[in-house]
Amino acid sequence: QKEVEQNSGPLSVPEGAIASLNCTYSDRVSQSFFWYRQYSGKSPELIMSIYSNGDKEDGRFTAQLNKASQYVSLLIRDSQPSDSATYLCAVKKGGSEKLVFGKGMKLTVNP
Amino acid sequence: DTEVTQTPKHLVMGMTNKKSLKCEQHMGHRAMYWYKQKAKKPPELMFVYSYEKLSINESVPSRFSPECPNSSLLNLHLHALQPEDSALYLCASSQVGGNSYNEQFFGPGTRLTVL
Repeated sequence: QKEVEQNSGPLSVPEGAIASLNCTYSDRVSQSFFWYRQYSGKSPELIMSIYSNGDKEDGRFTAQLNKASQYVSLLIRDSQPSDSATYLCAVKKGGSEKLVFGKGMKLTVNP
Repeated sequence: DTEVTQTPKHLVMGMTNKKSLKCEQHMGHRAMYWYKQKAKKPPELMFVYSYEKLSINESVPSRFSPECPNSSLLNLHLHALQPEDSALYLCASSQVGGNSYNEQFFGPGTRLTVL
């Protein structure tokens, strides 16, 4: 079982729709969870961090964490063509500097 | 604007060349990272420096040699690389310890091509 699993996609949604990206992790001692956005040819950009169970909202982005189910998700409301990118889920154990990435999900938002 | 800078943006080198990648961060972070990313793959951790000391080496071949001259600078020295080493090399930095969850922030990367 991989440490961090993401559906590989790709995911295509129409402009204005909600895009839902999901990630599961295997190690229960994981403590910090991150979503990065990566445009083609660019470096990863941190868009959300979440550490506690529940929802965390930032503008059109909502991260959801369920530690019991070992599940973290990212919702993008009112999706825009500029949201088209690869989204990487990353997980960090407490006391470790090491980030473990999922393989990424390519999102396309169609005008 | 990123506060982690990397130079050069692009590098083409032969298998017998020696070159260096440079990274600088301006956020007062005490951990710095080198990642390698191949096309359509996630970043793959190579090295971690924490308080200027090498804390993680992910069994990287010796043709890659990291150096951390001070808390703001990180270098990656390259020697006798292979064509399969062609990739995007990413530097990142983060805080260490404390109450922060130590988010990692990436630089823009160096696109390396080995001929």
